[in-house]
Amino acid sequence: GAVVSQHPSRVICKSGTSVKIECRSLDFQATTMFWYRQFPKKSLMLMATSNEGSKATYEQGVEKDKFLINHASLTLSTLTVTSAHPEDSSFYICSAKPGTGGATGELFFGEGSRLTVL
Amino acid sequence: KQEVTQIPAALSVPEGENLVLNCSFTDSAIYNLQWFRQDPGKGLTSLLLIQSSQREQTSGRLNASLDKSSGRSTLYIAASQPGDSATYLCAVSDDNDMRFGAGTRLTVKP
Repeated sequence: GAVVSQHPSRVICKSGTSVKIECRSLDFQATTMFWYRQFPKKSLMLMATSNEGSKATYEQGVEKDKFLINHASLTLSTLTVTSAHPEDSSFYICSAKPGTGGATGELFFGEGSRLTVL
Repeated sequence: KQEVTQIPAALSVPEGENLVLNCSFTDSAIYNLQWFRQDPGKGLTSLLLIQSSQREQTSGRLNASLDKSSGRSTLYIAASQPGDSATYLCAVSDDNDMRFGAGTRLTVKP
């Protein structure tokens, strides 16, 4: 089946630094990728939708200057948390939609990245 | 805006029981519905995908049904095992967007 890889799986950083999380589709091309944030014991909250080669579409309430998303190729999207603060600590998950193949509309998810900001 | 609700929020059962998890959604104009499993601190594992034109899907001990007109889906787990302990999430998609329920945290006791 289709595989989506996220890296790093865990990252600890100091307040004020920026952190980049990568999401790669390993065996398919993903024209659309999604980024989610999950708070403890809560469901996933869609942050933004990114389409290859164009600007990401952010959900209401998500700061686009805070969470920079780049989808430069059909297999890679990155989420950069800029000037991270403790309240940005969370579990971030990406998903990817194949441009071809896969059950219609099916999404494939990465393993998630746990960000802890000290 | 689509809202997805899952009931119950948590469920604890003894090993061997059959159980049903419920998912409801407010907008019936969906593209598909997916059930996922999430283990603590991990990503999502897709269990079953039901297209809007389908009524149910089965995989092993799992059976998911979809009643689009009433905005409901159920996930049936037969002969539950301790290894089934996890959080189960349902999500509905309109092709460009996917909305998740808050999940049902399942504990199967040996």
